[in-house]
Amino acid sequence: GNSVTQMEGPVTLSEEAFLTINCTYTATGYPSLFWYVQYPGEGLQLLLKATKADDKGSNKGFEATYRKETTSFHLEKGSVQVSDSAVYFCALIPRGGSYIPTFGRGTSLIVHP
Amino acid sequence: DAGVTQSPTHLIKTRGQQVTLRCSPISGHKSVSWYQQVLGQGPQFIFQYYEKEERGRGNFPDRFSARQFPNYSSELNVNALLLGDSALYLCASSLDARSSYEQYFGPGTRLTVT
Repeated sequence: GNSVTQMEGPVTLSEEAFLTINCTYTATGYPSLFWYVQYPGEGLQLLLKATKADDKGSNKGFEATYRKETTSFHLEKGSVQVSDSAVYFCALIPRGGSYIPTFGRGTSLIVHP
Repeated sequence: DAGVTQSPTHLIKTRGQQVTLRCSPISGHKSVSWYQQVLGQGPQFIFQYYEKEERGRGNFPDRFSARQFPNYSSELNVNALLLGDSALYLCASSLDARSSYEQYFGPGTRLTVT
């Protein structure tokens, strides 16, 4: 079956540090890939997406590149802010078939001033 | 435009009771999905509906059921509640049921079963 593996958290950084949150996936074919962010007490917000190999999704300074060779979709940001503190979820939706989404367990990010 | 709305925000039920959760999708969106998010975990897919038909079902018991109405709003029903059903229930809408269409999530309904 399909699966998404994210790095364990929490990830703790100082403001303006570089962020990487690793995400790898297992799926048949080439799924669409997504990053969502969840702030405390809220639902998930779409952060960025990529629908085919080598696509780069970007939004609000965050970027992730769809790497078919390594089945990865790592999230990066060059300079984090305190307001980026949240839980980040990597997800895939397979092409064809039932289109049932699979989410990772989430990675908590804590940014200190 | 209004986002995905869910009601109620919070709910406390007793074991064995039944609960109905409601979701209104973004205007123009025809697909609604339901997820269960247990504390500290990622969302687990329960159902997807598109054009009032069930398009996908996750690994949940038959106590869970859902439906979609002609206006594309949706209800999730859970019967014979168990303590383990305590979770945040998320609804998400998308334009279409295909993989390339991103989902937009509502704020969720926090269900506590005592």
